[in-house]
Amino acid sequence: DAMVIQNPRYQVTQFGKPVTLSCSQTLNHNVMYWYQQKSSQAPKLLFHYYDKDFNNEADTPDNFQSRRPNTSFCFLDIRSPGLGDAAMYLCATSRVWGVYPGEQYFGPGTRLTVT
Amino acid sequence: DAKTTQPNSMESNEEEPVHLPCNHSTISGTDYIHWYRQLPSQGPEYVIHGLTSNVNNRMASLAIAEDRKSSTLILHRATLRDAAVYYCILIRQGAQKLVFGQGTRLTINP
Repeated sequence: DAMVIQNPRYQVTQFGKPVTLSCSQTLNHNVMYWYQQKSSQAPKLLFHYYDKDFNNEADTPDNFQSRRPNTSFCFLDIRSPGLGDAAMYLCATSRVWGVYPGEQYFGPGTRLTVT
Repeated sequence: DAKTTQPNSMESNEEEPVHLPCNHSTISGTDYIHWYRQLPSQGPEYVIHGLTSNVNNRMASLAIAEDRKSSTLILHRATLRDAAVYYCILIRQGAQKLVFGQGTRLTINP
């Protein structure tokens, strides 16, 4: 089945140690998103790629970066994780064309713990 | 982005219909109304969307007020699996991103 895959599902990292989360999709969608969801809160968009165009949200900390080497893969890099970065990180994709904002398909998320 | 207002929580019984309200009084003519839900320990999933007319799909129905200032997501026969947080989100024509509010936590009693 076509889907959005996130690896790993659980990631533990140390304070200040760089970490990379990965997302892949078999849907061939042109837009990929990264969301952060802290406990008992709603998902919050960090950034998204429209094809190769990177769109950063104004309040996303510089500590968070992303790469999209091809259509299928997208990575979230946290350069120096702090305790406040512990959260569920959700990847999503959508196929956007014309003026209609397409439905987003979410992966299962990666739960990041910072020790 | 136009704001939506939803009740924090609702409760219903299994096999009964559920009506989840959403107010969006500042909606613009080019805003689509999308609903997503998030089951426990899972990523959100798309439920339904509409612009002006009522919509039905295999998961739910969406009833949109004539003035578009409110909408209601209808689950016709709730099951335990429908227990989730339901998000009502407005997305402007041409926009690419979702802005999640706090949503409604739906509890289904057996």
